[in-house]
Amino acid sequence: DIVLTQSPATLSLSPGERATLSCRASQSVSSSYFAWYQQKPGQAPRLLIYGASSRATGIPDRFSGSGSGTDFTLTINRLEPEDSALYYCQQFGRSPRITFGGGTRLEIK
Amino acid sequence: QLQLQESGPGLVKPSETLSLTCTVSGDSISSSTYYWAWIRQPPGKGLEWIGSIYYSGSTHYNPSLKSRVTISVDAPKNQFSLSLSSVTAADTAVYYCARLEDTVYSLHFDHWGQGTLVTVSS
Repeated sequence: DIVLTQSPATLSLSPGERATLSCRASQSVSSSYFAWYQQKPGQAPRLLIYGASSRATGIPDRFSGSGSGTDFTLTINRLEPEDSALYYCQQFGRSPRITFGGGTRLEIK
Repeated sequence: QLQLQESGPGLVKPSETLSLTCTVSGDSISSSTYYWAWIRQPPGKGLEWIGSIYYSGSTHYNPSLKSRVTISVDAPKNQFSLSLSSVTAADTAVYYCARLEDTVYSLHFDHWGQGTLVTVSS
């Protein structure tokens, strides 16, 4: 089973700073089948990045994804208060076919 | 504009079967590019994929839940459904339905329902 480990668990930054969120897979993952999601309290997750580096419709260019193999990164530039949320990575692969990381909580203080 | 809406009981007794339906509007559930999925999130915890279905009825399930899960599709009604048997308190969660876009280049959940909380309790 492919396990996705996200770090850090919590990240606390100030407006205008850059956030770097990491997701490490226990086995190599196809970049095509790797995505990032944002979840705000009481809301459903929202797709941010798919194919490891492509922004979803309507996502600001402050959000960018990179990585391959077992290491993937979500970078958020010029942080805004509205970026406070939980962020999850996700991969599609062999059994179990779809898995999510445990999440990183981003706090904008 | 695509919308997904979960519906079903918010309270289920232990050992009984949890049943939810997702109604899709703004797109046909028979679109060839998409699968339709159920995902759950226990209170304060992370996301867990339950399973997915294609409009043809082809299904894929999370092995950890496979023995208790059935996902079905009703194309004329533009709905798909989840059935989870022999529930326990550990199945208490917000249940989301979502559209899974499957292209040559990527596979990801591009639209989600708002979610519905299902509590397992006597």
